[in-house]
Amino acid sequence: NAGVTQTPKFQVLKTGQSMTLQCAQDMNHEYMSWYRQDPGMGLRLIHYSVGAGITDQGEVPNGYNVSRSTTEDFPLRLLSAAPSQTSVYFCASSRGEDSGANVLTFGAGSRLTVL
Amino acid sequence: AQTVTQSQPEMSVQEAETVTLSCTYDTSESDYYLFWYKQPPSRQMILVIRQEAYKQQNATENRFSVNFQKAAKSFSLKISDSQLGDAAMYFCAYGDGGSEKLVFGKGTKLTVNP
Repeated sequence: NAGVTQTPKFQVLKTGQSMTLQCAQDMNHEYMSWYRQDPGMGLRLIHYSVGAGITDQGEVPNGYNVSRSTTEDFPLRLLSAAPSQTSVYFCASSRGEDSGANVLTFGAGSRLTVL
Repeated sequence: AQTVTQSQPEMSVQEAETVTLSCTYDTSESDYYLFWYKQPPSRQMILVIRQEAYKQQNATENRFSVNFQKAAKSFSLKISDSQLGDAAMYFCAYGDGGSEKLVFGKGTKLTVNP
């Protein structure tokens, strides 16, 4: 059981380049989300999805796009990378039952550097 | 908006001793959940313990326990018999009932000295 798989683990971009961080889960979780982690800032929510075809913004959505065409996949797109987007990115998923606040399962993280 | 505050950027403890990490939160909700996550140098986020606000009993997982003071909006983590493998960043997190979104504190870096 792979859990939450993120690729790539490391990436270096130049300012203005675009890229997609991939996230896939094999647990049939309805809820998926993206967080970024910066030194001294904890984790902040970028975007989230409560099911296929449904996405919404989190705390820091600017500069990022997401889509959810399948239950398994939730890619995060940077259309024009900026140095401020240098960070470690985490994808997380949960069952998303009505009771809410289920335990999040995290991917291993992707370290992105924008020069 | 809900906020989570961890006032101790760094803590240290001697192996086999006990350490307590502090967390306070702010919310107007009555239905919510609180979590402690551990992040070792591998970067993987690992759930340590989870507390449901409607439960008065403090959660416990082996050497890890919490002191949940709902009126004071305080949620501290106690690690007993500290081990070298406990060295990590520890994040306190809050989630509204009915929501999967979590709000994280800024973290506390725990060092365990042999």
